[in-house]
Amino acid sequence: DVKVTQSSRYLVKRTGEKVFLECVQDMDHENMFWYRQDPGLGLRLIYFSYDVKMKEKGDIPEGYSVSREKKERFSLILESASTNQTSMYLCASKEVALGNEQFFGPGTRLTVL
Amino acid sequence: AQSVTQPDIHITVSEGASLELRCNYSYGATPYLFWYVQSPGQGLQLLLKYFSGDTLVQGIKGFEAEFKRSQSSFNLRKPSVHWSDAAEYFCAVGPRRGGSYIPTFGRGTSLIVHP
Repeated sequence: DVKVTQSSRYLVKRTGEKVFLECVQDMDHENMFWYRQDPGLGLRLIYFSYDVKMKEKGDIPEGYSVSREKKERFSLILESASTNQTSMYLCASKEVALGNEQFFGPGTRLTVL
Repeated sequence: AQSVTQPDIHITVSEGASLELRCNYSYGATPYLFWYVQSPGQGLQLLLKYFSGDTLVQGIKGFEAEFKRSQSSFNLRKPSVHWSDAAEYFCAVGPRRGGSYIPTFGRGTSLIVHP
């Protein structure tokens, strides 16, 4: 059974802290994605990676960075957390073939105080 | 760039009633279309997808969707809703233009099921 896991389901941080969200997939997928999900806004793409050490900005990259040193792991970094980054963060992965579906992790609910 | 519109933010149905969730897309080429479901506290799960061929697509959990090119629509249907179908539903179209294989998601429709 395919699996995407995220390091935390719930996280509470202080403004200004550096925050790391980890995502691991066991399907040997080339592509990995970070989204944030907010009520009424759906899923918005923050960053994606099409292979190890390769990344591209999504629609809302400001205030975030990513790291992909190994194929199975994709990390989202909030350099200096702010209250407007309080959100649900979803990680996903997919094979590179056109049209293949994404597999999603359960999400991390981040609260920045 | 492609876009997806889900015109209904919330839909309320009674258990056992039929369901149709609307999805309209804008895309310059033949689209790849997806419906995902997100149960409370969960990640997204694929219900069904359309690439080509038969425009009526069957998915999991008794859902189906019909691709209508002339209307740029990919509406999701279920003949009889169960209480466990209460969830958030997302339509997505992909890929993004320029060759990056990234779907664009709609804002979602929240389904409420009354007993």
